[in-house]
Amino acid sequence: DIQMTQSPSSVSASVGDRVTIICQASQDISNYLNWYQHKPGTAPKLLIHDASNLEEGVPSRFSGSGSGTDFTFIINSLQPEDFATYYCQQYDSLPPPTFGQGTKVEI
Amino acid sequence: QVHLVESGGGVVQPGRSLRLSCAASGFTFSRYAMHWVRQAPGKGLEWVAVINYDGSYKLYADSVKGRFVISRDDSRNTVDLQMDRPIADDTAVYYCARPKYDYGGNLWAFDIWGQGTRVTVSS
Repeated sequence: DIQMTQSPSSVSASVGDRVTIICQASQDISNYLNWYQHKPGTAPKLLIHDASNLEEGVPSRFSGSGSGTDFTFIINSLQPEDFATYYCQQYDSLPPPTFGQGTKVEI
Repeated sequence: QVHLVESGGGVVQPGRSLRLSCAASGFTFSRYAMHWVRQAPGKGLEWVAVINYDGSYKLYADSVKGRFVISRDDSRNTVDLQMDRPIADDTAVYYCARPKYDYGGNLWAFDIWGQGTRVTVSS
């Protein structure tokens, strides 16, 4: 299985900050990577698909980039509603599609 | 409004059985593959199983293969997960999820999720 390594595992930030999350795949996955936001007790939410495509209705302060093995997820100007755990997910090598271990964005 | 609602969770003894169900509404269910994804306490997301749009194709994570069975009923717009011989490591919140694209498109970006149903495997 392809291993997805996210860093950092947690980040402390303030409203208005820029937050950067890195996801590294154990082998080349082209651009077959998605990003999700997950808040406790709620359904996960797809933010970005295919590495850099913003899901409809998702604010433009969220962005994704990268291909191959190295991917970056950025939140510009962090808002109060953005405090959550973020996951990358690869789907190049199946099954299974694998998730990173998550990055908790907290105050 | 597109919705997925899971049910059937609870406490189950190791080795017994439990059946989870996910009811879909607000979209043409028969056009979409459907997935189950779980989150164990304090852990991240783990994909469990997928069934394609017509039920002819099913895939499972190695951790559940041979013990869990995914099925669908398009007349009721439901997808089920039969959990046989559960073990403690199956304790998790189970989510059903719909892919962003229907039919043969990309099955692996999950744009609609339910709220989850909690399963605890314990004697």
